[in-house]
Amino acid sequence: DVKVTQSSRYLVKRTGEKVFLECVQDMDHENMFWYRQDPGLGLRLIYFSYDVKMKEKGDIPEGYSVSREKKERFSLILESASTNQTSMYLCASSLKAYEQFFGPGTRLTVL
Amino acid sequence: RKEVEQDPGPFNVPEGATVAFNCTYSNSASQSFFWYRQDCRKEPKLLMSVYSSGNEDGRFTAQLNRASQYISLLIRDSKLSDSATYLCVVIAYNNNDMRFGAGTRLTVKP
Repeated sequence: DVKVTQSSRYLVKRTGEKVFLECVQDMDHENMFWYRQDPGLGLRLIYFSYDVKMKEKGDIPEGYSVSREKKERFSLILESASTNQTSMYLCASSLKAYEQFFGPGTRLTVL
Repeated sequence: RKEVEQDPGPFNVPEGATVAFNCTYSNSASQSFFWYRQDCRKEPKLLMSVYSSGNEDGRFTAQLNRASQYISLLIRDSKLSDSATYLCVVIAYNNNDMRFGAGTRLTVKP
């Protein structure tokens, strides 16, 4: 089975802090994705990557950056956390664009 | 207008009922369609693909109506374990533009 893990299930940070969310997959997938999920808005794509050191902006990249130094790891960075970034963050990986396997999610609260 | 729209529900149905959800999409170039299931406080998981001719997987039937730009999911003989949020997913022609609906919440009661 594909396994996608995320570094934390719950995280509480203060406004202005730098936040790192880590995602690791063990199935040698080329594609990796970061989403945030908010009530009534569904899943919104922040960034995605189709290869090591490659990144593409999704629909809502503002306030975020990403890093993919190794194929199995895709990191999401909040340079200066703000309260409107309080959300559930979901990482996913796939071989094909549609068969995405999701991690358990990180619920981030920014105070 | 959102690119992918779903009735958020909740749909509250008794065990054994038949329930159907629709999902409308705005991009006529959309080519691939899927239903994902998300349990409370869990990650989404692929439930089934939606083919042009319609497809069935046990108690679940998915259909596509390109003319009216919607997909549907029908669940027959509902079980308590079907309680979840159902997300529709629409992918545009280049297979890289994946859009999720906000989800429809289903609760099956005894």
